[in-house]
Amino acid sequence: NAGVTQTPKFQVLKTGQSMTLQCAQDMNHNSMYWYRQDPGMGLRLIYYSASEGTTDKGEVPNGYNVSRLNKREFSLRLESAAPSQTSVYFCASSPGGLGETQYFGPGTRLLVL
Amino acid sequence: GDSVTQMEGPVTLSEEACLTINCTYTATGYPSLFWYVQYPGEGLQLLLKATKADDKGSNKGFEATYRKETTSFHLEKGSVQVSDSAVYFCAFQGAQKLVFGQGTRLTINP
Repeated sequence: NAGVTQTPKFQVLKTGQSMTLQCAQDMNHNSMYWYRQDPGMGLRLIYYSASEGTTDKGEVPNGYNVSRLNKREFSLRLESAAPSQTSVYFCASSPGGLGETQYFGPGTRLLVL
Repeated sequence: GDSVTQMEGPVTLSEEACLTINCTYTATGYPSLFWYVQYPGEGLQLLLKATKADDKGSNKGFEATYRKETTSFHLEKGSVQVSDSAVYFCAFQGAQKLVFGQGTRLTINP
């Protein structure tokens, strides 16, 4: 039981490049989330998915898209990366409804030059 | 709107000192409350939680009591260890997501 896994661990992009951050959970959870963590700002919700096939915007969705591919996987895509998207990205999941105890992945550190 | 206010850090203590990290929240109703911990280079882990007023959550020597009168959920530990060095996040269950505070960095010196 690996919990929540994320790939890659670290990525460097140039401005304008695109990339997809992958997230998978093996706990059969219904809800999944993407956060970004910036110094002094805590965690900010980018997008979430209450169940397979549904996605909704969080606090800071601009510049991102998501796909809930199936119950296990929830990917985050940056279509045209900007330096302001330099951050650490965390994926999380929760068993049932939104707002329950969440289980976090180890994070992806992204640097946009 | 919904928000969490945490004691600002960083906080530096000596081993075996007492710890309190303050947390207050603004929310509708009486949501579940959480403390998460983030060790260096890792994701967040649930440390403890409380689901209703006057409940006390506890884990690894840490405790926090749900105080609805003061809308607070302060984190306490009687004797900290070097291994407790981490960033601590207070959070509550909002309508559709967890609402996190900004985090408090704790460093324990031997």
